[in-house]
Amino acid sequence: EDKVVQSPLSLVVHEGDTVTLNCSYEVTNFRSLLWYKQEKKAPTFLFMLTSSGIEKKSGRLSSILDKKELFSILNITATQTGDSAIYLCAVEARRWNSGGSNYKLTFGKGTLLTVNP
Amino acid sequence: NAGVTQTPKFRVLKTGQSMTLLCAQDMNHEYMYWYRQDPGMGLRLIHYSVGEGTTAKGEVPDGYNVSRLKKQNFLLGLESAAPSQTSVYFCASRTTSGAPARETQYFGPGTRLLVL
Repeated sequence: EDKVVQSPLSLVVHEGDTVTLNCSYEVTNFRSLLWYKQEKKAPTFLFMLTSSGIEKKSGRLSSILDKKELFSILNITATQTGDSAIYLCAVEARRWNSGGSNYKLTFGKGTLLTVNP
Repeated sequence: NAGVTQTPKFRVLKTGQSMTLLCAQDMNHEYMYWYRQDPGMGLRLIHYSVGEGTTAKGEVPDGYNVSRLKKQNFLLGLESAAPSQTSVYFCASRTTSGAPARETQYFGPGTRLLVL
C-alpha cells in the first residue's frame, strides 16, 4: 500500500520566519511528487518534482526531491500571513491493470501552516 | 474556459437518501478523479477514470459509484447516504502528455455534503 507522511502536522510561525515542510513516501513505481497549497477552497498546484536534487523555485517557495531517501521538502522564506494554509504533498505512482497502465495519486494528511503577524 | 466545475456546492441529505455529484471539465482532460477530504485525513481517492467509459476504484470506494459516459463529465453517486459520508468532495482532472513535468492536476471548488 502506498504511503505518504507529512510533518509536522501543524506549525505556527511569525511573519518573516523561514519554514521547512517535510514529505516522506513509500510507493511502488514512483512517477512524481507534487505539492499543493490549500486555503479555504480547492488545492492549488505548486510544484511537480520528478528528478532528485533539482530544486524547483517559485518566488519565496522552493522544493527539492531526494529519490534515494524517499522524501521531499518544501521551503518558504520570509513568510507572510498569506502563506497560512494547508500544504499537501502527493505522490504519483504507476499502476497496471487489465486495461493497461494508469497513474494514481496518494495524498499525505497535510501540514497546517499558520503565519502570525 | 471554466476549468473544473462541481455541482452542487452544498447539500444536506438524510440517511438513506441518494444523490449524484456532477463534475465537469472543459480542458479535454483524459483523467478525472473524485476525492473526499475529512479533518485530519487529507485527501483520499474514492474513484478515478482514465478515459471515457472507464472507471477504477481508489482508496475508499465503498458506498460510492461513478460513471464517465462523456469525457467531460464524471459523476459520483451515493445510493444510500450514511453519516460517515459527511465530507467535502473534490473532483480533479488532468491531462497525460507523457511528460510528468508538463502535467498538472486541476481541482474543482468542492462540494460540501452533510448527511444527517
